[in-house]
Amino acid sequence: ELKVEQNPLFLSMQEGKNYTIYCNYSTTSDRLYWYRQDPGKSLESLFVLLSNGAVKQEGRLMASLDTKARLSTLHITAAVHDLSATYFCAVDPWVRDDKIIFGKGTRLHILP
Amino acid sequence: EAGVAQSPRYKIIEKRQSVAFWCNPISGHATLYWYQQILGQGPKLLIQFQNNGVVDDSQLPKDRFSAERLKGVDSTLKIQPAKLEDSAVYLCASSLPWPGQGGYGLQETQYFGPGTRLLVL
Repeated sequence: ELKVEQNPLFLSMQEGKNYTIYCNYSTTSDRLYWYRQDPGKSLESLFVLLSNGAVKQEGRLMASLDTKARLSTLHITAAVHDLSATYFCAVDPWVRDDKIIFGKGTRLHILP
Repeated sequence: EAGVAQSPRYKIIEKRQSVAFWCNPISGHATLYWYQQILGQGPKLLIQFQNNGVVDDSQLPKDRFSAERLKGVDSTLKIQPAKLEDSAVYLCASSLPWPGQGGYGLQETQYFGPGTRLLVL
């Protein structure tokens, strides 16, 4: 059964700093998604990564996928307060009979 | 483009009562998902439809939960009878079907509705 682990689960950081959130998964997949969720709100799609070595960037966020290591990273550059939210990765396994699994989320708090 | 619509936004019921949620996906999206998100956790897939057929319902507690998408557009999720542990946010999402019609990257994006926050007392 597919397992998806995110770390850290909680992260408090200063504005202007860089940090990386990690998403490890346990089975073969080349489809991985990152979402953002603000408190009391729904999920907003950030990135869709569909192949090994895929890298996507939007503003201060950059996501990458290494399917051999079964690892995706979400890198935050020069964090700003507006990026405070919970970030989820979700993995859609190679086996079509299996289901998409979300990580537990990383709650990011950026201090001004 | 209108997003995924859900109603109601909030519902408070007592245990053993019944409740139903409604979802209207983005026009043209053949795939529809229902997720349960318990506070502090990631969403858990309950059921996935492609048009009006069920793709996956392996995590749907079928003794109390049911879902339908009769005309391949709107969907309803019902809980009967509700338990305390059903308190959660129920999210509906939609996407273009696999293989995608929207081009590279677009076919896999799920668009989420605002959710229905359920409290069972």
